[in-house]
Amino acid sequence: DADVTQTPRNRITKTGKRIMLECSQTKGHDRMYWYRQDPGLGLRLIYYSFDVKDINKGEISDGYSVSRQAQAKFSLSLESAIPNQTALYFCATSDSFGGVRETQYFGPGTRLLVL
Amino acid sequence: KQEVTQIPAALSVPEGENLVLNCSFTDSAIYNLQWFRQDPGKGLTSLLLIQSSQREQTSGRLNASLDKSSGRSTLYIAASQPGDSATYLCAVKSSGGYNKLIFGAGTRLAVHP
Repeated sequence: DADVTQTPRNRITKTGKRIMLECSQTKGHDRMYWYRQDPGLGLRLIYYSFDVKDINKGEISDGYSVSRQAQAKFSLSLESAIPNQTALYFCATSDSFGGVRETQYFGPGTRLLVL
Repeated sequence: KQEVTQIPAALSVPEGENLVLNCSFTDSAIYNLQWFRQDPGKGLTSLLLIQSSQREQTSGRLNASLDKSSGRSTLYIAASQPGDSATYLCAVKSSGGYNKLIFGAGTRLAVHP
């Protein structure tokens, strides 16, 4: 079984709808992240969480919200979806004890289309 | 503000060729640099991580180098195979902050038989 899972894997929605993307991990990591990827651009950080009570905005948080329900679960919500939120969304985790070799582990991605 | 650029954006080579992917970054104050591989439907996988104090890392046919002073890294792939076809992403973690990775847009590699 995959260590970082994302649901749904694909989603089509309409402008103005509220949707939630979910991420679960079995790696036991304390840190979790949400990114989006657009064609021709690198991944950009939306939100990150260093533990259940520590949630922070990334560089492109407008229009998004998150919830860290447990150490293993981190959800991303689009309160009112708009077409320019069409993108590939990735969840990632990392271990704060990794030190200088700390790296992030990524889920398979959720492809979102907003009509 | 840290910016990461990857050249070329796409590359198509015949099987067996040695190739080099390039990554440049604007701020040399980095904690580490990583190369990731992205396959469709499978997310990103970390290939190599070079700490700021290191010059290179090797894993099998892959070798990544880091020159902080010039703001450059290269990923060298020896004897390329069709299974190497993927998008390769470079990401830097700037020093003095949280574990935030700044990604380049990637190089899409196609190795044809």
